[in-house]
Amino acid sequence: GAVVSQHPSWVICKSGTSVKIECRSLDFQATTMFWYRQFPKQSLMLMATSNEGSKATYEQGVEKDKFLINHASLTLSTLTVTSAHPEDSSFYICSARPHADGELFFGEGSRLTVL
Amino acid sequence: QKEVEQNSGPLSVPEGAIASLNCTYSDRGSQSFFWYRQYSGKSPELIMSIYSNGDKEDGRFTAQLNKASQYVSLLIRDSQPSDSATYLCAVPHAGGTSYGKLTFGQGTILTVHP
Repeated sequence: GAVVSQHPSWVICKSGTSVKIECRSLDFQATTMFWYRQFPKQSLMLMATSNEGSKATYEQGVEKDKFLINHASLTLSTLTVTSAHPEDSSFYICSARPHADGELFFGEGSRLTVL
Repeated sequence: QKEVEQNSGPLSVPEGAIASLNCTYSDRGSQSFFWYRQYSGKSPELIMSIYSNGDKEDGRFTAQLNKASQYVSLLIRDSQPSDSATYLCAVPHAGGTSYGKLTFGQGTILTVHP
């Protein structure tokens, strides 16, 4: 199957700092990538859709100024959590698909802990 | 009403038994249904997709869909300890057709004991 890779796998930061998470499609090009978030013992929730060369679209309740998404190339999307706070601690997972109607592949996830 | 509902479990079955996982959804317009497996601390992986009423089999896994009842299930035959994971049911967002924008159920924790 297709490979989606995230970096870093885990990160610990102090409250108030910003953290950048990278998502790469390694063996296919992705004009669209999807960012999900999973709090402990909860399910995945879609945060936003990352669009190559244009603005991301955010789901209701997700602050676009707090979660900055950049999709500068066909293989890379980044999520920056700005001014992170402990309530932003979560498992952030990106996903992409090689074909518009094909299987969705998830990255390994990035676990963020904000102290 | 949640869009996708699952029993959170945990569901415990002995090795070799059939595990039955259930999911109901609220949007009658949903046309595509997915089952993902998520091991603890890992990201989900797709194990089955189903689009038509009836059964779909893939190895030890069988997905069953009943659109009239808005119900989709996953059967795991000959359960193995390695099947122990959280199983997530998912449908495209708000009845849409984008398979990238999914709404997930809360997941059912399955434990297969030797």
